[in-house]
Amino acid sequence: AQSVTQLDSHVSVSEGTPVLLRCNYSSSYSPSLFWYVQHPNKGLQLLLKYTSAATLVKGINGFEAEFKKSETSFHLTKPSAHMSDAAEYFCVVSDGGYSTLTFGKGTMLLVSP
Amino acid sequence: DVKVTQSSRYLVKRTGEKVFLECVQDMDHENMFWYRQDPGLGLRLIYFSYDVKMKEKGDIPEGYSVSREKKERFSLILESASTNQTSMYLCAVKRPSGETQYFGPGTRLLVL
Repeated sequence: AQSVTQLDSHVSVSEGTPVLLRCNYSSSYSPSLFWYVQHPNKGLQLLLKYTSAATLVKGINGFEAEFKKSETSFHLTKPSAHMSDAAEYFCVVSDGGYSTLTFGKGTMLLVSP
Repeated sequence: DVKVTQSSRYLVKRTGEKVFLECVQDMDHENMFWYRQDPGLGLRLIYFSYDVKMKEKGDIPEGYSVSREKKERFSLILESASTNQTSMYLCAVKRPSGETQYFGPGTRLLVL
């Protein structure tokens, strides 16, 4: 069975400061990992994905994530937060079979001026 | 890009009603999924389908059923709606190759 733990339900940063959203996973397979973002009253948008190629993955809007197998982590980072980054972020693991996704409970990112 | 359309953005129903939520895709992909999203719980998989007339239970299928008569359309059915089914329902589609799922805008269902 696979699972995902997002370590923070809320993260608050100031505009222009770094962002770190933490995610740990558990999987019996070689996992594929994703980060999705959901802006208020909008659908889910794929930020980035890891599928066993390079361990440092770059996504849209300046976000990146590093796959660390030894730590079973897939943390999301951005060097400098923007007000438009305020949203809910989901870390997701795929089982590789029918590719069903298991979602973390989400981290709400709050960005203050 | 894959376009995923859900029939309603907002829906209000009464307890005991039969409710149909429709999802339509424009790319002839085999795999389609239904999730519900609740605050603090993330998204949870209800059912998925990997081909016409094929379906598999997800993590929380109780109280739901699905129908896939045509490849482009995947319906979620609440046989007898209950207040604990008040939620946001999201449909997703996956290309045959690759693992990325593409989501519709969601249907916010309120059961009174």
